[in-house]
Amino acid sequence: QVQLLESGPGLVKSSQTLSLTCTVSGGSISSGYHYWSWIRQPAGKGLEWVGRIYIGGSTNYNPSLKTRVTISVDTSKNQFSLEMNSVTAADTAVYFCARGNAMRGDCLFDSWGQGHLVTVSS
Amino acid sequence: VLTQPPSVSVAPGKTATVTCGGNNVGSKSMHWYQQKPGQAPVVVIYYDSERPSGIPERFSGANSGNTATLTISRVEAGDEADYYCQVWDSMSDQVTFGGGTKLTVL
Repeated sequence: QVQLLESGPGLVKSSQTLSLTCTVSGGSISSGYHYWSWIRQPAGKGLEWVGRIYIGGSTNYNPSLKTRVTISVDTSKNQFSLEMNSVTAADTAVYFCARGNAMRGDCLFDSWGQGHLVTVSS
Repeated sequence: VLTQPPSVSVAPGKTATVTCGGNNVGSKSMHWYQQKPGQAPVVVIYYDSERPSGIPERFSGANSGNTATLTISRVEAGDEADYYCQVWDSMSDQVTFGGGTKLTVL
């Protein structure tokens, strides 16, 4: 059973860069048919997909965040990461990492991290 | 865009229906997630109508035309949660979530 765990600062200053890492255990991040995603959720609001990376390096991003977001992967550490620059209070949210299963040519999130609260302060 | 009702209320033992509307969603695979307070979402229905192992048979799904539906039969207090629908758009390479529906068990 694969497990995901987010880590990183819980407080980021406005205009600076948010950096989070997701560590995958119980399975290889290099396994086929899997995309590795970031999803966020502001308090009391719904889920928002941030973006995803495939082990080959290809990425897709939410168009509303694309200019500020980079997702990367480190196979040697079985980790993938999120960087979001020029953050504002609107980026305050719980950030989840999740595994996207693409075995049927789709994207189904079958494993999630517990979530990591990031607060942007002025 | 996927449109869900913000809230649905149902008495215990009755049937709850959560809808997810969008342009031609029936042509895409629909997935449904249950999220309880302070927890990560968990998939309860995938590929329109399939149930993962461990999800009660009371949960079912359908997807056709412009509306997908999550149905929970014989609702229990433990089903109280937020429910989200989700699709993958292969044309734009984008994931979309519905706005979520809060299910209240009266």
